[in-house]
This record gives sequence, C-alpha cells and structure tokens, in this order.
Amino acid sequence: GAGVSQSPRYKVAKRGQDVALRCDPISGHVSLFWYQQALGQGPEFLTYFQNEAQLDKSGLPSDRFFAERPEGSVSTLKIQRTQQEDSAVYLCASSIREINQPQHFGDGTRLSIL
Amino acid sequence: SQKIEQNSEALNIQEGKTATLTCNYTNYSPAYLQWYRQDPGRGPVFLLLIRENEKEKRKERLKVTFDTTLKQSLFHITASQPADSATYLCAQYTGNQFYFGTGTSLTVIP
Repeated sequence: GAGVSQSPRYKVAKRGQDVALRCDPISGHVSLFWYQQALGQGPEFLTYFQNEAQLDKSGLPSDRFFAERPEGSVSTLKIQRTQQEDSAVYLCASSIREINQPQHFGDGTRLSIL
Repeated sequence: SQKIEQNSEALNIQEGKTATLTCNYTNYSPAYLQWYRQDPGRGPVFLLLIRENEKEKRKERLKVTFDTTLKQSLFHITASQPADSATYLCAQYTGNQFYFGTGTSLTVIP
C-alpha cells in the first residue's frame, strides 16, 4: 500500500486511560501532520513534524497530548488520562516536502472515550 | 488567529448542473489555498491548489478561483454527477499552521 496508514481504525477507552495512535506516512515524505476532527467540523491542526523534528505543537489541546516521530518516519500520538472531550477522529497526513505541499491523509482513528 | 468560513448549509443540486462552493477567510492572506474532498469515514483527498498570483486553476471538471481582494475562493464542479456527492474542504497555510474550513456537504441528485 502506498498511502498513509493509521492504526487502530477504532479505539474505545475508559476515561482516565492512556491511548497511543499510530501513523505510517508515505515512504520518503518529509512532513507529517496530526489533526483532530470533531463530527461535522473540519480537521483542526494539532502538530507538525519535518523529519524527526517537531516544528510546531501549538495545536495540542493540553499537556496530556504528546506526539513523536523518533526516526523521521512512523509517528505516534499519545493521549494520557483521556477525557470524554478527547473523543474525535484523529487524522494523520504526510507531504513530500515542506509544509505548504498537498497533503495525503490516512483514514483516521476514531477514538471514543467512555 | 486565522478563520476560514465555508457554506455551512448543505448544497443540493441536480445532476448535470454546476456546483459552486465558497471559501472566505479573515485576517491573513495566504500564499495559496488548497481544496480537498472528504467522503464519510475517510480522510480528505487533495483536489487542487491555487496560488495567490493565479486567478483561476482548472482540472477536468473542477475549477478554482482565488480573489485576494475579496479574501475568497470559489470552487466549481461542472456537469456534476452523483459520484461528486461528498464534503468539500478548503485549507490554507498561514503562520506555520494549516487551517481547514468546516466543509460544505454537496449532494448531487440524479
């Protein structure tokens, strides 16, 4: 598969649990983005990586959210002590070079916090 | 911060007609705008990019315009087909972030 792959597709967790969401970008893509999408809304920017460097994390809603991309390829978004308002679809996207290029999205992880 | 507004109401049109979707932005004028299509349960798919020095961009039945004076982009689908039914998102890169609009839901009626 040549596209962006996200796993799991669905995740249900109890309030207070930690979750980890994985993103496999297109091979060789330099830029990687995480977005949060609520029902009926557009994606909201969370964070941006250029290779392994996290260049912008200003969209992360709180210090419970943490993202990493240690080797400049696979990325993980971790949410600690989940709360009900964290329920959303989390989208990952990659682009071939700089931030201002067309983005290729995965189909997202739908997170439900009970 | 930057704000992007799209037609909040769903758009229903008859097959064969031209659909026109609007994207308005406030504050900063972006160097370019992007348009994406999103189907239910799927991630957005890139359609077109238009730069600030381009008035119009075309790709098959799609056309995008960009008016920096009005701070507006229009997205047209000509000879619309039921398969064009989806949510369409505009996006821009400003200040080191990507901003997406809320999207406009389009339904093409056979």
